[in-house]
Amino acid sequence: DIVMTQSPLSLPVTPGEPASISCRSSQSLLHSNGYNYLNWYLQKPGQSPQLLIYRGSYRASGVPERFSGSVSGTDFTLKISRVEGEDVGAYYCMEALQTPYTFGQGTKLEI
Amino acid sequence: QVQLQQSGPGLVKPSQTLSLTCAISGDSVSDNNAAWNWVRQSPSRGLEWLGRTYYKSKWYNEYAVSVKSRVTVNPDTSKNQFSLQLNSVTPGDTAVYYCVRATTGNAFDIWGQGTMVTVSS
Repeated sequence: DIVMTQSPLSLPVTPGEPASISCRSSQSLLHSNGYNYLNWYLQKPGQSPQLLIYRGSYRASGVPERFSGSVSGTDFTLKISRVEGEDVGAYYCMEALQTPYTFGQGTKLEI
Repeated sequence: QVQLQQSGPGLVKPSQTLSLTCAISGDSVSDNNAAWNWVRQSPSRGLEWLGRTYYKSKWYNEYAVSVKSRVTVNPDTSKNQFSLQLNSVTPGDTAVYYCVRATTGNAFDIWGQGTMVTVSS
């Protein structure tokens, strides 16, 4: 199974400031079609997870532009350009290249 | 707008079978471009993918090795829904269970509301 390692596990932030979360995969997530199969999710308190980023850097429908994803080999980064209060919750990366799909441990963003 | 509505009991006795159903609206369980997954979440295991079913000229199923001997995910085309069955449950199976649609890039784009299932006598 592919192991996903996130850091930090806890991220205190100030509204209006940027934030960054890292995720590393134990093997390449590069598909033969040229896309990296890495997705990012946000789970707000008391809610189901919601898709933010798919294929490493593509924003899902309705996701604000302040969220962006980047890829460097097996290192993936989720960036929030300016944190807002509604961004509070747990962020998870997930490899989507092969089953069993695996998730990172989660990063709890708090203001 | 695609929605997933979960149903099933919140309490299951040890050694019995956990059964959950996920009703689909706005899409079809037979959609060639989608896969229908079950994921669970607990404090001890985090988010854990359990299995999926999908249709590409025929039906396919895939399961996590950790539950493979106990789990079944089945489509029901007549009711446009899919189900999860987990046999011989133990307290370790206590978790919130989610049904999830996957589309482009195996992105989990639509999630059910979640069902808290407690395994206890």
